[in-house]
Amino acid sequence: AQRVTQPEKLLSVFKGAPVELKCNYSYSGSPELFWYVQYSRQRLQLLLRHISRESIKGFTADLNKGETSFHLKKPFAQEEDSAMYYCALGMKTSYDKVIFGPGTSLSVIP
Amino acid sequence: DAGVTQSPTHLIKTRGQQVTLRCSPKSGHDTVSWYQQALGQGPQFIFQYYEEEERQRGNFPDRFSGHQFPNYSSELNVNALLLGDSALYLCASSLEQAAGGPEQFFGPGTRLTVL
Repeated sequence: AQRVTQPEKLLSVFKGAPVELKCNYSYSGSPELFWYVQYSRQRLQLLLRHISRESIKGFTADLNKGETSFHLKKPFAQEEDSAMYYCALGMKTSYDKVIFGPGTSLSVIP
Repeated sequence: DAGVTQSPTHLIKTRGQQVTLRCSPKSGHDTVSWYQQALGQGPQFIFQYYEEEERQRGNFPDRFSGHQFPNYSSELNVNALLLGDSALYLCASSLEQAAGGPEQFFGPGTRLTVL
């Protein structure tokens, strides 16, 4: 069955420290992975997707098919990065069905 | 473009009642997905509509039904409400077969409270 896991429910880091939000998935097909972010009092929005291989707000994520992981990384955390982060799995063969992980709440301590 | 809009913002119902939630997709989008987000959890996929038909469904009972109109807007109906249906209901729109995968644009959600 398709599944997305995010092992950390809460993650606190100091400003300027590196941050890594973990995401693992299970899917037998060719996955499309996304990271969505929800800032306080804002709607859920796309942060980045693996297919574009771009860096957004200093965040990057590499798809590792061998480890079935798509960890989100940023070398120097900023206070404005504090938010809820959701890893999501898209399944093109299922008419664009998207499955979300449970989310990780990132808190950047000034 | 206002993006994805949902109505109402908040709703309070009692057990056994029925509720209808509404969603207007982002301009140019033709696919609407509905999610249920319980407190402290990630969004759970309910179903997806494309060309006025339900084509994907998550693990939700038949009490959850929906509809998509010719203008791509959509409704989510929940019958025989249970306390456990209390959640934030999110609507997301996307463009069928968009290059790069199904980027979904989310609405602000409807907060449903069942008493």
